[in-house]
Amino acid sequence: LAKTTQPISMDSYEGQEVNITCSHNNIATNDYITWYQQFPSQGPRFIIQGYKTKVTNEVASLFIPADRKSSTLSLPRVSLSDTAVYYCLVGDRNSGNTPLVFGKGTRLSVIA
Amino acid sequence: EAGVAQSPRYKIIEKRQSVAFWCNPISGHATLYWYQQILGQGPKLLIQFQNNGVVDDSQLPKDRFSAERLKGVDSTLKIQPAKLEDSAVYLCASSVGPTFNSPLHFGNGTRLTVT
Repeated sequence: LAKTTQPISMDSYEGQEVNITCSHNNIATNDYITWYQQFPSQGPRFIIQGYKTKVTNEVASLFIPADRKSSTLSLPRVSLSDTAVYYCLVGDRNSGNTPLVFGKGTRLSVIA
Repeated sequence: EAGVAQSPRYKIIEKRQSVAFWCNPISGHATLYWYQQILGQGPKLLIQFQNNGVVDDSQLPKDRFSAERLKGVDSTLKIQPAKLEDSAVYLCASSVGPTFNSPLHFGNGTRLTVT
């Protein structure tokens, strides 16, 4: 399993764009990158998944460089409600035997 | 669609007592997971079911934890006897299938306090 490394915490003001970078130096050819968001007192929620270049949905964008050794989750114009822990996970998309391993995640605090 | 339902929401027990948690996954989801989340840490997988069969229980402390998923739908996780270090949030999740590209849908968990 590819190990991931994320910053422990980040602070941001409301209205700013937030970029959270995840390192996964030993990512395998078949591995995809997935991000989850967890609000206090709730279970994690799937945000976005990608393999290369850029993926965008209504919540966030995911940027993956050509070497795929890192990825950046971008949250546009954050609000107080984006305060949460964000987890980066890497795994073989087509394998049914890859357990989802959550690290400690990045705790994002949005300040008014 | 209805989300993953878990009960109870909170539970306080004394050490050496037993406790059970219940989970009802999203309808049609074949894969069900139980995670343990200790304060300040990410969720840790305890057991994964595919329909009513166990796919992975390598991190389940089998001397005290047990889980079942009868008929491939609802699931229960039991701890007997509980230890102080079992204090955590127990999260149930389900997905359409077992592969990494099948997003997990989590319930809000059961917060267990062992005194």
